[in-house]
Amino acid sequence: DGGITQSPKYLFRKEGQNVTLSCEQNLNHDAMYWYRQDPGQGLRLIYYSQIVNDFQKGDIAEGYSVSREKKESFPLTVTSAQKNPTAFYLCATRQGARNTIYFGEGSWLTVV
Amino acid sequence: AQKITQTQPGMFVQEKEAVTLDCTYDTSDQSYGLFWYKQPSSGEMIFLIYQGSYDEQNATEGRYSLNFQKARKSANLVISASQLGDSAMYFCAMREGDAGGTSYGKLTFGQGTILTVHP
Repeated sequence: DGGITQSPKYLFRKEGQNVTLSCEQNLNHDAMYWYRQDPGQGLRLIYYSQIVNDFQKGDIAEGYSVSREKKESFPLTVTSAQKNPTAFYLCATRQGARNTIYFGEGSWLTVV
Repeated sequence: AQKITQTQPGMFVQEKEAVTLDCTYDTSDQSYGLFWYKQPSSGEMIFLIYQGSYDEQNATEGRYSLNFQKARKSANLVISASQLGDSAMYFCAMREGDAGGTSYGKLTFGQGTILTVHP
């Protein structure tokens, strides 16, 4: 099955813990993105990567970190420095001449 | 200032009727792209339709069409023949500097419109 796979779907984190959200794609897309969505809101860009071993901060990067060691994978770590991490996290990839961005199914993170 | 404005928090439509979801945008770029996504309750974001700023024709994808009025900076989504499965949140988004591959792909999203289709 081709596509963008995010895991886990639901994750609970204790305060002070780091957690990592996985994003894997087999679409051979170069660019990958992480977005955050708060209830009833639009999406905001956390980090993006256009090629392997390169990534850039988005609008709300504080308290997050990423890596891009392989083309297929772009994991997001939510660190303890992120003061309000409870949200829905969406990974996306970019494809084609029209730069259409496609999204994974998302991961729900809740701090308990 | 808001770059993408969706003024309708919620919309209701009767099954088989057409509905228009409003979107206005603000940019000083000449090259940009406008997108509509559907987000059902499951959370995934489903790409619906794309309009480039230099496209002369309004985009259409099946039952979806984009009413692009460049001078008014509006990019309204029209859904024809609504179906119960169309009930979802709909987001308008813009990518600036959309010069056919040079943009890094950042999308700016509106607040969304919840569409409810009644039988």
